Amino acid sequence: GDSVTQMEGPVTLSEEAFLTINCTYTATGYPSLFWYVQYPGEGLQLLLKATKADDKGSNKGFEATYRKETTSFHLEKGSVQVSDSAVYFCALSDPVDSNYQLIWGAGTKLIIKP
Amino acid sequence: EAGVAQSPRYKIIEKRQSVAFWCNPISGHATLYWYQQILGQGPKLLIQFQNNGVVDDSQLPKDRFSAERLKGVDSTLKIQPAKLEDSAVYLCASSANTLMGTEAFFGQGTRLTVV
Repeated sequence: GDSVTQMEGPVTLSEEAFLTINCTYTATGYPSLFWYVQYPGEGLQLLLKATKADDKGSNKGFEATYRKETTSFHLEKGSVQVSDSAVYFCALSDPVDSNYQLIWGAGTKLIIKP
Repeated sequence: EAGVAQSPRYKIIEKRQSVAFWCNPISGHATLYWYQQILGQGPKLLIQFQNNGVVDDSQLPKDRFSAERLKGVDSTLKIQPAKLEDSAVYLCASSANTLMGTEAFFGQGTRLTVV
């Protein structure tokens, strides 16, 4: 079945550092890919998405490119801020194997130190 | 537009008691999901509704959990009787349809503590 694998956390960085959170997936069909963010004490929010190969999703300075050849959707940000501290989830939606349900990674906790 | 509304935000109950959670999805969203999120883990889908029909409830512990979505709008999730391991955040989400790329919008969740 479909699956999503994220790098384990926590990831601890200093403010203004470059961020990469790795995400790889396996899917039967051609899934859509998502990054969700969960700030402390809050619900999940969509951060960005990509629906086909080579698409780049971007929001709030974060970017991720849908790489079909490497089955990856790595999250990047050029200069992180303390306010980016949160848990980040990579997810996919595959119409073939999962009836459009979201398949989730385990989440990566990001800690940004001033 | 108004987001997904959930209530209550917090609930503390004793084991073997019953509890119910309520969700009001975004207006017009046909698909509604209930997730269980245990601390430190990703969300686990409990049940997915399409309008008022169940699409997937394969991970719902049906001996103690039940859910309904009357008239294809609001939904309630019930646990009876609760166990200690049910302590988690229960998230409701909705999406406009099941077409490719349609994202799910989440409520703030209900934090359940079973003591």
